[in-house]
Amino acid sequence: QGQLVESGGGLVKPGGSLRLTCAASGFVFSDFYMSWVRQAPGKGLEWLSYISDLETYTNYADSVKGRFTISRDNAKKLLFLEINSLRVEDTGIYYCAREGLGVADALDLWGQGTMVTVSS
Amino acid sequence: QSVLTQPPSVSGAPGQRVTISCTGSSSTIGAGYDVHWYQRLPGTAPRLLVYGRNNRPSGVPDRFSASKSGAAASLAITGLQPEDEAEYYCQSYDNRLRVFGSGTKLTVL
Repeated sequence: QGQLVESGGGLVKPGGSLRLTCAASGFVFSDFYMSWVRQAPGKGLEWLSYISDLETYTNYADSVKGRFTISRDNAKKLLFLEINSLRVEDTGIYYCAREGLGVADALDLWGQGTMVTVSS
Repeated sequence: QSVLTQPPSVSGAPGQRVTISCTGSSSTIGAGYDVHWYQRLPGTAPRLLVYGRNNRPSGVPDRFSASKSGAAASLAITGLQPEDEAEYYCQSYDNRLRVFGSGTKLTVL
């Protein structure tokens, strides 16, 4: 079935940067598109970005375009999210998720999330 | 604000049927894109509940079903159980972007 484990979250000052990592196991990582999704405190889910299986295509929500960069290392089964110019409103739980095959590209596998807190 | 609109909350007694609506637009659900539904139990990561045209991953009971008409979709839960108390989110697409609904908190009375 597979597993995703995020890491790299923490407390950061406004204007700072972070690199989140998602480690995949139990499935052929290079076969799947991957996404990052976040949930701010008291708010709903917000899709942030996706990257295609071979890193050919990426796309971003308007709210993070220009500040967030998604990338992956298929050899190491790792997904990354580089976050720059952090803002207080970037605070939240960041999830990586797999876009499944045979499930109409739905997000069929999720990590447990990593918490990012932006505060001075 | 979310591109897809859901009611903030719904409630029902055990055994009852509830529905959660998800309203989009001509550029999202109305454009013919698939709609997926996720459940987020308190303190846990979201999990896929229903995908595409009313398909359920293994392990999801058939008490959960989905439908779509025009620019709107809905999730129905029959035989409500206490463990169904959770947040529910719809998800669709806007061109190449993925978009989520605003989320609905289901309370089992």
